[in-house]
Amino acid sequence: GIQVEQSPPDLILQEGANSTLRCNFSDSVNNLQWFHQNPWGQLINLFYIPSGTKQNGRLSATTVATERYSLLYISSSQTTDSGVYFCAASLYGNNRLAFGKGNQVVVIP
Amino acid sequence: DTEVTQTPKHLVMGMTNKKSLKCEQHMGHRAMYWYKQKAKKPPELMFVYSYEKLSINESVPSRFSPECPNSSLLNLHLHALQPEDSALYLCASSYSDRNYGYTFGSGTRLTVV
Repeated sequence: GIQVEQSPPDLILQEGANSTLRCNFSDSVNNLQWFHQNPWGQLINLFYIPSGTKQNGRLSATTVATERYSLLYISSSQTTDSGVYFCAASLYGNNRLAFGKGNQVVVIP
Repeated sequence: DTEVTQTPKHLVMGMTNKKSLKCEQHMGHRAMYWYKQKAKKPPELMFVYSYEKLSINESVPSRFSPECPNSSLLNLHLHALQPEDSALYLCASSYSDRNYGYTFGSGTRLTVV
């Protein structure tokens, strides 16, 4: 199956700082998503982004499908951005959504 | 309605109990999923239903029994669980083969005592 690798595994940020999370995947995908898991466990969908660039407020994401990576940018970080960010991908014609191990982000005031 | 609703949110059960987890969506999605997540780990796929038929079983022990009564509902029946089955159980749905992204529920936090 598809392999999804995320880096860095852990990140500590000062409030107001910017950061970039990276996701590498091993094959051509038709689905790539970024999620934020809150302390209560809910996976909140940030972006559905199999290719291209999207922005939503202080968050943006870019996927370069031909080079098999995706980036999640957090600008002007806030303490509420703390949590685990997961990248997940699935292959064409395959309903198995595979997750990376996540990026644990802590934003300190 | 753009949500996946899971009940209950928390469940404590003994090893001899039988319980069920429920999941519901009204987005017209035709694929539904059960994932299991242990602490500090990513979610792991358990089952996939596509058009109300079981299409993927990731070698899950038979003490977990999925059921899809209709296109909006997904159940997970639990029987004779072990303490190591304690985890967060997440339900998700998506348009089937068009794959416009998955929507996850808030999960059921299960503790087996």
